[in-house]
Amino acid sequence: GAVVSQHPSRVICKSGTSVKIECRSLDFQATTMFWYRQFPKQSLMLMATSNEGSKATYEQGVEKDKFLINHASLTLSTLTVTSAHPEDSSFYICSARRGTAGELFFGEGSRLTVL
Amino acid sequence: GESVGLHLPTLSVQEGDNSIINCAYSNSASDYFIWYKQESGKGPQFIIDIRSNMDKRQGQRVTVLLNKTVKHLSLQIAATQPGDSAVYFCAEDTLGGGFKTIFGAGTRLFVKA
Repeated sequence: GAVVSQHPSRVICKSGTSVKIECRSLDFQATTMFWYRQFPKQSLMLMATSNEGSKATYEQGVEKDKFLINHASLTLSTLTVTSAHPEDSSFYICSARRGTAGELFFGEGSRLTVL
Repeated sequence: GESVGLHLPTLSVQEGDNSIINCAYSNSASDYFIWYKQESGKGPQFIIDIRSNMDKRQGQRVTVLLNKTVKHLSLQIAATQPGDSAVYFCAEDTLGGGFKTIFGAGTRLFVKA
């Protein structure tokens, strides 16, 4: 199977700071990557779809100025949580697929704690 | 964002028994469905998938059943093992500016030794 790597796996930051999370497809080119958010004991909530070379498509209710997504290459997408607050504390998971449909390959997730 | 953000129901089974996990999906136009397994603190792992032109697909110890009439998916795990303990999510691919995968509510499976 394909490998998707996320970094960092855990991050703790102070309220008001910005945090960047990287998502890399290690052995395939990912035209499309997805960012999910997961609160404890809940399902994964799709935040945005990231397309290489174009602006991300955000789901309803997700603030694009708060969660900046950049997909600069076919193997890297980044999520920046700007001016983080405690309510942004969550598990952020990226995923990627080779084509336009079909199996998603997930990263291991990044746990963000905002103090 | 789209999701069913419910607190997770739990299924507890004895080791060696068969497990059946159910899921209702939302979009009758979805044509690809996936079951994922998520262990604590990790990203989801693919288990098995099925396209809408099928009603059953079998893998190793796992079977997925699709009932499009009532928009229902089930995952059957044969001879459940302690290593199967995890949260299981169904997901559907829905077209909205390119296919995106929407997760349903998960089910926590506990396997008692």
